[in-house]
Amino acid sequence: EAQVTQNPRYLITVTGKKLTVTCSQNMNHEYMSWYRQDPGLGLRQIYYSMNVEVTDKGDVPEGYKVSRKEKRNFPLILESPSPNQTSLYFCASKKGNYGYTFGSGTRLTVV
Amino acid sequence: LAKTTQPISMDSYEGQEVNITCSHNNIATNDYITWYQQFPSQGPRFIIQGYKTKVTNEVASLFIPADRKSSTLSLPRVSLSDTAVYYCLVGDPAYNTDKLIFGTGTRLQVFP
Repeated sequence: EAQVTQNPRYLITVTGKKLTVTCSQNMNHEYMSWYRQDPGLGLRQIYYSMNVEVTDKGDVPEGYKVSRKEKRNFPLILESPSPNQTSLYFCASKKGNYGYTFGSGTRLTVV
Repeated sequence: LAKTTQPISMDSYEGQEVNITCSHNNIATNDYITWYQQFPSQGPRFIIQGYKTKVTNEVASLFIPADRKSSTLSLPRVSLSDTAVYYCLVGDPAYNTDKLIFGTGTRLQVFP
């Protein structure tokens, strides 16, 4: 089944403890992106990648890192998480002119 | 990037047709209009995409007038399971520097 897989689905962590949210797609899509969703603010783009080894900042990149060493994987790294990064995170991918395929989301709580 | 304006919320009853209109006055020549549906705590799901006139698939229809400054997503005979947030996006899907803006969408509530 064509899909975008994120892990974990839920994560509670403490301030300052590095974490990685993984994202993998099996559709051979070139483009991948990370969004965060907060009440009243809609979906905001964090980082995106047009292909392997090509990444760029979205609208809210502060406090996040990404890497794209392989086409299928696009992990989101929080080096030193803070409570304002508590949010619902979505990974998405797309190919060419077609619409995005989103993952099921990762609900992160930083205490 | 073209900014879009949608109603914040809409209510409907089962079996009715629902039309959600999106305004995009600054749409560019190469821009397409894409609609997504999102259920609580799930990722948005692609519904339909169009450039002009009318596009129909098994889920919805998309009506785009000649000036392309607005578009209407039409959901025929809605059911309770169509309760969701619907996002209208405008952008060039082939543009490499992709920064499609989702906004806050239209929250559709379907009642029995």
